[in-house]
Amino acid sequence: GAVVSQHPSWVICKSGTSVKIECRSLDFQATTMFWYRQFPKQSLMLMATSNEGSKATYEQGVEKDKFLINHASLTLSTLTVTSAHPEDSSFYICSAHGQGGFRLFFGSGTQLSVL
Amino acid sequence: DAKTTQPPSMDCAEGRAANLPCNHSTISGNEYVYWYRQIHSQGPQYIIHGLKNNETNEMASLIITEDRKSSTLILPHATLRDTAVYYCIVRDNSGGGADGLTFGKGTHLIIQP
Repeated sequence: GAVVSQHPSWVICKSGTSVKIECRSLDFQATTMFWYRQFPKQSLMLMATSNEGSKATYEQGVEKDKFLINHASLTLSTLTVTSAHPEDSSFYICSAHGQGGFRLFFGSGTQLSVL
Repeated sequence: DAKTTQPPSMDCAEGRAANLPCNHSTISGNEYVYWYRQIHSQGPQYIIHGLKNNETNEMASLIITEDRKSSTLILPHATLRDTAVYYCIVRDNSGGGADGLTFGKGTHLIIQP
């Protein structure tokens, strides 16, 4: 199956700093990628849809200026958490559809801890 | 996409078949049933999907009722590594991949040794 690689797997940062998370489709091209957030003991919540070559579409309640998404190529999307605060501490997961759009493949996730 | 209802948790003995139910009574004719699972601190993993026929692959079997209002995921010989949260998701594939998946709370399956 298709492989989605996410990096880093975990990151600890100070409050007020910015953190970038990368999501790569290794063996297929992904015109669309999705970013999810998951708090402890909760389900995954879709944050935004990342479209190659155009602006991302954000879900209601997600601040686009805080969670910057860049999808500059067909195999790479990045999520930057700007001016991170402790309440941004969460598990962030990216995903992309394989060919045909019938299956969604997920990265291994990034655990962000903001001190 | 239609909503799904799953039991919050289930136990199953190692080596036995694990049967995970899912209700999707408002499913429409062009919506597929998908199953994913998430092992702790990992990204979700695709298991299987189907439209109306029963499906089987190397991981599991999917049984969809004739009226399509419910389905059951079957793990034929559960192992300790199958302990995870299992998500049943209904999705219209006509968008061609433009839409993400909406996750409910899933079923936390615990395999007992």
